[in-house]
Amino acid sequence: GENVEQHPSTLSVQEGDSAVIKCTYSDSASNYFPWYKQELGKRPQLIIDIRSNVGEKKDQRIAVTLNKTAKHFSLHITETQPEDSAVYFCAAMETRYDKVIFGPGTSLSVIP
Amino acid sequence: DAGVIQSPRHEVTEMGQEVTLRCKPISGHNSLFWYRQTMMRGLELLIYFNNNVPIDDSGMPEDRFSAKMPNASFSTLKIQPSEPRDSAVYFCASSWDRVWEKLFFGSGTQLSVL
Repeated sequence: GENVEQHPSTLSVQEGDSAVIKCTYSDSASNYFPWYKQELGKRPQLIIDIRSNVGEKKDQRIAVTLNKTAKHFSLHITETQPEDSAVYFCAAMETRYDKVIFGPGTSLSVIP
Repeated sequence: DAGVIQSPRHEVTEMGQEVTLRCKPISGHNSLFWYRQTMMRGLELLIYFNNNVPIDDSGMPEDRFSAKMPNASFSTLKIQPSEPRDSAVYFCASSWDRVWEKLFFGSGTQLSVL
């Protein structure tokens, strides 16, 4: 089945700097890669996703890139703000049963 | 729509007791997922229903865990007997028919087994 790895596990940045979180997946047939943000004590919420037919997608200060050959995808947050502090989960869709498998998460702290 | 509704929000029980977690998906969503979240293992998919039918239960830890979806608006996750290692946050999520649509998570149930 699909296996998703994520790095780093924790990340601290100064407010205004950029943050990058990287993920790898194992199932070359996976074709959908969402990112979820979970604030402390809250539920995970989708912030951006990308499908395998595109290499990059942007939404204001966040962007995701996908390299299908290398089975890598990354989340980029620019001009970070304190409210970006949260745990971020990457995920990949396993094609056998169409289920979303999550990475272990990255705890991002934005220091004012 | 009120979103995915889970109950209870918190559950404290003693080892050996039966625990039942409940979930009401968003009306019109055909897929329902139960996830377990712990510090050690992150978000683990336990079971996935589509049109009320269990599609994949390979993530269910053992026979002590069972899940049902008797109709499109209700699902339960039952642990019997419960053990301390079952302590975790259990999330229910729903989505439109195909799983690669956005998952909407409930607020979760914080389970503590003493």
